[in-house]
Amino acid sequence: SQKIEQNSEALNIQEGKTATLTCNYTNYSPAYLQWYRQDPGRGPVFLLLIRENEKEKRKERLKVTFDTTLKQSLFHITASQPADSATYLCALDMRYSSASKIIFGSGTRLSIRP
Amino acid sequence: DTGVSQDPRHKITKRGQNVTFRCDPISEHNRLYWYRQTLGQGPEFLTYFQNEAQLEKSRLLSDRFSAERPKGSFSTLEIQRTEQGDSAMYLCASSPQGNNQPQHFGDGTRLSIL
Repeated sequence: SQKIEQNSEALNIQEGKTATLTCNYTNYSPAYLQWYRQDPGRGPVFLLLIRENEKEKRKERLKVTFDTTLKQSLFHITASQPADSATYLCALDMRYSSASKIIFGSGTRLSIRP
Repeated sequence: DTGVSQDPRHKITKRGQNVTFRCDPISEHNRLYWYRQTLGQGPEFLTYFQNEAQLEKSRLLSDRFSAERPKGSFSTLEIQRTEQGDSAMYLCASSPQGNNQPQHFGDGTRLSIL
């Protein structure tokens, strides 16, 4: 079965630096990969989506890369701010049969210290 | 866009009782998903509806769990004869039909079994 690993449970970096989060998966590549942000006690909020034929996607201070050879996605937050502190979830769309089923990683808790 | 709403936000009940949760998706979304999330883990897929049809159920969804979406709008998730292991956050999400659509999550119902 498909497994997803996000690089670490927690990442603590200094404000202003670039945060880089890793998502690795096993087995076959998904149709596309999504990144979500989750704050404590709240549901996940969609951030970015990247398709299997795309190498990179950007949105403001966010950048996602997708390497199907390495079976890896990297999520970058540049010029990080304390407000970026949250758990970030990687999600793979496994798309089979008639359903669209998303498998989530366990997340990386990011803390940005002032 | 009023977002996905879930009710109640918190539910505390004794083991063996039945509980029912409600999800109101974004009105123009015809796809609706239920997930379960435990502490430190990502959401786990439970079931998926397209309009009123339940198209997929996870193996996690034992026979004590049932979900409905009778008119293709709101959905309910019922757990019968609750067990301690059912304690979790139950998340609902909705999306439009079509490829590459991100999911919009509610803030979940937190279930605690005494």
